[in-house]
Amino acid sequence: EVQLVESGGGLVQPGGSLGLSCTASGFSFSTYSMNWVRQAPGKGLEWVSYISSSSSTIYYADSVKGRFTITRDNAENSLHLQMNSLRDDDTAVYYCARDSSGWNGGFYYYYGMDVWGQGTTVTVSS
Amino acid sequence: DIVMTQTPLSLSVTPGQPASISCKSSQSLLHSGGKTYLYWYLQKPGQPPQLLIYEVSNRFSGVPDRFSGSGSGTDFTLKISRVEAEDVGVYYCMQTIQLPRYTFGQGTKLEIK
Repeated sequence: EVQLVESGGGLVQPGGSLGLSCTASGFSFSTYSMNWVRQAPGKGLEWVSYISSSSSTIYYADSVKGRFTITRDNAENSLHLQMNSLRDDDTAVYYCARDSSGWNGGFYYYYGMDVWGQGTTVTVSS
Repeated sequence: DIVMTQTPLSLSVTPGQPASISCKSSQSLLHSGGKTYLYWYLQKPGQPPQLLIYEVSNRFSGVPDRFSGSGSGTDFTLKISRVEAEDVGVYYCMQTIQLPRYTFGQGTKLEIK
């Protein structure tokens, strides 16, 4: 079964740091790009960060650039998000999501984020 | 950044009736390579989002054929031909043409009458 499981969420004070992890199973993790997406309480979805399969390409949303760092360990099938200088508005459920593309019926498609974890909750509060 | 605007923000539908959600982008989602990078997701209560439609009109694996996507350029629509109770949740459109900034619409909450 294709699965993503996030961990590491918790309560942290403003200005503090927290590290999230996402463990993949059931697919060849090293061949897929990955994303972090977050959802503040009662709000919509916000893309946070992207990392290519080889870690050669990394992107961040402007809201987290300079504070968050995305990494991956293909040997361990794991994705990470190091969050520093946390602010109240970083409070959210953080999802990891697989970025996927492939051939279907003779055509090449970009499927977008096709597999999501259940999420881990980060609360930034004093 | 490309802004994605969904309408309506909520709708209440009787089971068996159709439903339609509009998504408009502030810029064309048509890539120079000819593809249009518009996606639809459903987030059921208490669950992560699940992919419904990729590249405007292609149903993802396992998605019932009562779901269909259409549109071009900046205007897109998700239609449910006959709403079922299991379709409740929040629907999001998403664009991926403007890397590195994927953006989502605000979401449309579907409830059953």
